[in-house]
Parts: sequence; structure tokens; C-alpha cells
Amino acid sequence: NAGVTQTPKFQVLKTGQSMTLQCAQDMNHEYMSWYRQDPGMGLRLIHYSVGAGITDQGEVPNGYNVSRSTTEDFPLRLLSAAPSQTSVYFCASSYSGTGRYGYTFGSGTRLTVV
Amino acid sequence: GNSVTQMEGPVTLSEEAFLTINCTYTATGYPSLFWYVQYPGEGLQLLLKATKADDKGSNKGFEATYRKETTSFHLEKGSVQVSDSAVYFCAPNTDKLIFGTGTRLQVFP
Repeated sequence: NAGVTQTPKFQVLKTGQSMTLQCAQDMNHEYMSWYRQDPGMGLRLIHYSVGAGITDQGEVPNGYNVSRSTTEDFPLRLLSAAPSQTSVYFCASSYSGTGRYGYTFGSGTRLTVV
Repeated sequence: GNSVTQMEGPVTLSEEAFLTINCTYTATGYPSLFWYVQYPGEGLQLLLKATKADDKGSNKGFEATYRKETTSFHLEKGSVQVSDSAVYFCAPNTDKLIFGTGTRLQVFP
């Protein structure tokens, strides 16, 4: 089915470990983004990309890295996990950043850092 | 910068009651406006949208009108169902999509 695929769905990390959250879309969307969702704070933008080879920081980028080597994939890397990064992470894509046609979201990755 | 304010929840209603969830925003330019819905354990889904002033977005019985003069985009439904229980997010978009904190709706039979 067409859409945004996130893996893994659940992950537990120890403080200091690194990992990559995967995001892939098959809709040929130029725009992709990562959000984290925390109780009482809604969704906050971490990083976004307007096309292959182009990325930029969002509201809460510290502790996260991204790259966009292909249109389809936009992985999010945690270099040294901290308990403050315990959250639910969502990847979203759109034809463009203006989102005129709406965004498509993945089903999320629930990350716990102990 | 751009921001959005939603009414705090939870909003608790009986089935067939009228629903209003308020949303106001600040943004430069003329953003597109969206409501997204998140059902338990799932990601966000686009519920409805409006792209210019006075546009009315509608879907599944929900409606919202783009009010430029009051910078608002309130969500309404005339008769809610138990299956509407979810978290609703207002989201204006100029060059990036930003979200309100979400409003949890609980509908009881």
C-alpha cells in the first residue's frame, strides 16, 4: 500500500546508545519531515527536507541528525540517546512544504531510553 | 514566528451532542489550515483542510471555516459518535506544518 512506512514500531535503548529510525515513502513526495510527540506538547518538528540532498532544522533538532540521499528515504539518527529523547516519533511527507494537499504520516515509532 | 492555540481537553460529550473545538493561529502570510485526527495507537490522519479565506473544509460530518479576520479555524460537528473519540490537532502551514497541543475528545454512549 502506498504511504509512509516507519520502522521499527517500538524500540528500547540504553542511555548513550545510537540508532537510526527509518522512514520511507513511495508517493514521490519531495517534502519529508520528522516530528516528536510528547504528552501535553503536541507535535514538534525535529528536521525536515524539501528534496534529496537538502535538509534543515526544525524546532527541536539537538541530538538528532538526518540525511536525504534519495527521494524515498529520510532516516533519523540518534547519535547518543538520552532519556529526554523518550517519545513517539512520526515521519510525514507531502508534495511540497506548503502542504497544500496535506501531509501523510507514518504510524510512528515509540522510543524509550532508559 | 508562527504558532497555534487550541482549547485544552479533554472534551467529554454524550453521543449526538454538538462539538466545537476552538483553534486560533498566528502566521505570516496566508497559511493553509488543517485539522488532523489521531485515533488511539495510530498516526495522524488528515481530517479536513482549507487553503484560503472563507473556505470551508468538511469531511465525515466535521466542518471548519477559514476565518482570516479572526485568524481562527474552529472545528465543528453537529452530532458526534463514539467512534469520533480521538485527539484532534489544528495545524496551520506556511513553509512548515506546525501543530497545536491537541484536544482529546471522549464521546460516551
